[in-house]
Amino acid sequence: AQRVTQPEKLLSVFKGAPVELKCNYSYSGSPELFWYVQYSRQRLQLLLRHISRESIKGFTADLNKGETSFHLKKPFAQEEDSAMYYCALSGLELWSGGSNYKLTFGKGTLLTVNP
Amino acid sequence: DVKVTQSSRYLVKRTGEKVFLECVQDMDHENMFWYRQDPGLGLRLIYFSYDVKMKEKGDIPEGYSVSREKKERFSLILESASTNQTSMYLCASSSDRGRSFGPGTRLTVL
Repeated sequence: AQRVTQPEKLLSVFKGAPVELKCNYSYSGSPELFWYVQYSRQRLQLLLRHISRESIKGFTADLNKGETSFHLKKPFAQEEDSAMYYCALSGLELWSGGSNYKLTFGKGTLLTVNP
Repeated sequence: DVKVTQSSRYLVKRTGEKVFLECVQDMDHENMFWYRQDPGLGLRLIYFSYDVKMKEKGDIPEGYSVSREKKERFSLILESASTNQTSMYLCASSSDRGRSFGPGTRLTVL
């Protein structure tokens, strides 16, 4: 079974402060991890995925298989970073029609960056 | 970039009505998905389809059905809407392990 845990429902920081959104996962196979972001009144969109090893909008996330974590970090938060952030795990699952990749989401963390 | 569109942004229906939510993608993706998004619960998978006329139940299929007659279109059907189906419904498509999402339909069942 796949499980994603985001322990913080709400996170509030001041502009310019570092921010870390926590994500832990449980999966016995080889996972692919993602961070999705949803800004106010916009559609859910991919922020980054661990296999890309990119920095998007100043955010980075490193997959730590030993700690089964994929925390999202940014050294200096900006007001425009205020949004809902979802961590997600893609793992292979068996369905009645065969195997396919299931994407399991955490419950989300609402980040507020205060001026 | 994949374009995923949903037929309505807002929908208000009455208890017991049959409701159709339509989703169209323009990138020839095999896989399409329906999620519902609720505060504090995140996104939960209702149904998905990996090919035309093929469907699989997700984590919360009860009270829902789906239809995929054409590759680009995936419909979610609420046979008899109930108040606990008031939610934001998100459609997505993919060709790999990620997802591209539509704008969502906020459904209110009175």
